[in-house]
Amino acid sequence: EVQLLQSGAEVKKPGATVKISCKVSGYTFTDYYMHWLQQAPGKGLEWMGLVDPEDGEAIYAEKFQGRVTTTADTATDTAYMQLSSLRSEDTAIYYCATDRKSLGIVPPAYWGQGTLVTVSS
Amino acid sequence: QSVLTQPPSASGTPGQRVTISCSGSSSNIGSNSVYWYQQLPGTAPKLLIYRNNQRPSGVPDRFSGSKSGTSASLAISGLRSEDEADYYCAAWDNSLSGVFGTGTKVAVL
Repeated sequence: EVQLLQSGAEVKKPGATVKISCKVSGYTFTDYYMHWLQQAPGKGLEWMGLVDPEDGEAIYAEKFQGRVTTTADTATDTAYMQLSSLRSEDTAIYYCATDRKSLGIVPPAYWGQGTLVTVSS
Repeated sequence: QSVLTQPPSASGTPGQRVTISCSGSSSNIGSNSVYWYQQLPGTAPKLLIYRNNQRPSGVPDRFSGSKSGTSASLAISGLRSEDEADYYCAAWDNSLSGVFGTGTKVAVL
């Protein structure tokens, strides 16, 4: 069974950096793309980017380009999303989500439970 | 920001059929498959429909999807109280970006 377990809630000050982890189990880590998504309070889902754990190649949404970095550690089957220069508008739940690379790049089927990041002075 | 447009809300009484639309463009829905998610309050999204009209194992056949040109729709037949949730469409865009719909809140009256 595919499972994604995300790290706990974070509180950060404006201008700081947050790094969220997503530990996977139940599948071969390098056979799936890992996506990251943002959901602000009361708002919809926004795709931030993805990483291929096999070679570390990443694609980012234009909105987050320059501030987001997605990485993967194949030794621990854990993906990471780092978001820098945090501002109040970054207060949101962040999800990792994954699906098979053999399907091509598609909206992912399997989701983590979400990590709440609060940005406040 | 959302690139796919959905109505903000939809509603029906138990047993009715509700349809949610999703409008995109030639670079996303027009070229790629549409996916639909259900998000219950306080939970992560759950995949309801993949590749336009396919249901993952465990999703009731009350849920169905279709696509035509640059638009897609999700239908919920035999509406039940547990279907009260937010619903999102999604697709890959040829600009190398995932895109999601604005979301539709379904209420069961």
